[in-house]
Amino acid sequence: KNEVEQSPQNLTAQEGEFITINCSYSVGISALHWLQQHPGGGIVSLFMLSSGKKKHGRLIATINIQEKHSSLHITASHPRDSAVYICAARTAAGNKLTFGGGTRVLVKP
Amino acid sequence: EPEVTQTPSHQVTQMGQEVILRCVPISNHLYFYWYRQILGQKVEFLVSFYNNEISEKSEIFDDQFSVERPDGSNFTLKIRSTKLEDSAMYFCASSRPNGYTFGSGTRLTVV
Repeated sequence: KNEVEQSPQNLTAQEGEFITINCSYSVGISALHWLQQHPGGGIVSLFMLSSGKKKHGRLIATINIQEKHSSLHITASHPRDSAVYICAARTAAGNKLTFGGGTRVLVKP
Repeated sequence: EPEVTQTPSHQVTQMGQEVILRCVPISNHLYFYWYRQILGQKVEFLVSFYNNEISEKSEIFDDQFSVERPDGSNFTLKIRSTKLEDSAMYFCASSRPNGYTFGSGTRLTVV
């Protein structure tokens, strides 16, 4: 059974600060997803990673397959980045996602 | 950009009633899923559907639940005899090898 753990659970930053969210998982995966959930509840896919690093705007996601660890970085954070960020692991055996508990990010102006 | 569409956005039902949650996945996606999120908890996998049949289901997905793809576009989750603990946000999703897309969810409240 894959366990997915995130840290921290909550994070408050000042506008402009660099933010890092960590995710670790317990078994081999085919891909690691980073998702964003806004207060209304909807989930938006940010990245899907199977190796290395991806960048989209101010968001950077990295994964270390050997360490079973992934990070999501937000550079030059802005209040509109305030949301819950969730990592989810897709196992090699199937396509379902196992979710972490989420990191609630608040960026203050 | 293609979207996964879910209806209704909110549903309130009496305990013991049956509900049907509806989803229109992205047309060229191959796998379809239902997930749920009880308030304050992690998102949990319920069931995946491929090639017109269930490919995997969780322990949560018992006889109370069923899924159907009644035509070429809709994908439904039926919950029979709802219980208070079925109150949650239910997400439909669809996927291809290079990505996953979630619907905006149906908030189900059982009273």
